[in-house]
Amino acid sequence: AQSVTQLDSQVPVFEEAPVELRCNYSSSVSVYLFWYVQYPNQGLQLLLKYLSGSTLVKGINGFEAEFNKSQTSFHLRKPSVHISDTAEYFCAVSGTSYGKLTFGQGTILTVHP
Amino acid sequence: DTGVSQDPRHKITKRGQNVTFRCDPISEHNRLYWYRQTLGQGPEFLTYFQNEAQLEKSRLLSDRFSAERPKGSFSTLEIQRTEQGDSAMYLCASSLMDHGSYNEQFFGPGTRLTVL
Repeated sequence: AQSVTQLDSQVPVFEEAPVELRCNYSSSVSVYLFWYVQYPNQGLQLLLKYLSGSTLVKGINGFEAEFNKSQTSFHLRKPSVHISDTAEYFCAVSGTSYGKLTFGQGTILTVHP
Repeated sequence: DTGVSQDPRHKITKRGQNVTFRCDPISEHNRLYWYRQTLGQGPEFLTYFQNEAQLEKSRLLSDRFSAERPKGSFSTLEIQRTEQGDSAMYLCASSLMDHGSYNEQFFGPGTRLTVL
């Protein structure tokens, strides 16, 4: 079984500041890790994924994440945020490349001008 | 854009009524997933289909819930005798099953259910 913990329920930040959204996971098997973004009244959109290989993965909209196996973490980062990045972000894990996803509780990122 | 669509987008019903939601996946996708998202929580897996076969059901899916995908295309999720605790966003996702590569799940906009 897998589980995901997002350590911050809300993260306020000013425009053009850097941001890190934290995610820890637990799993008894190899994992595939994902970050999704959800804008108001919209479905989930995949930001980036870690399947294997390089532990630093880059996604859309300038986001990146680093897989740390020893710390069982997959934190999401962006060096400079925009107002348009205001949304809810979900970290997720799967035991296979095609199976069901287990999501964290979500982190609401609010970017202030 | 031929993404995943869900209907209706919003449903308000009274406790005890039955409701049915529909999901139309991306046309060539053979896998279809249902998730439920309550306020302040992340989505939780309910069930998934490969073509018309329902391959896994979560413990969250009580006997009042039933899902079908009769011809391996669209899917329906029915909730009988709704309860206030069923109020949530119901999300559908689809993917193209291919063992040789990663199968991204594409999500629909969801159906928001409110049980009064």
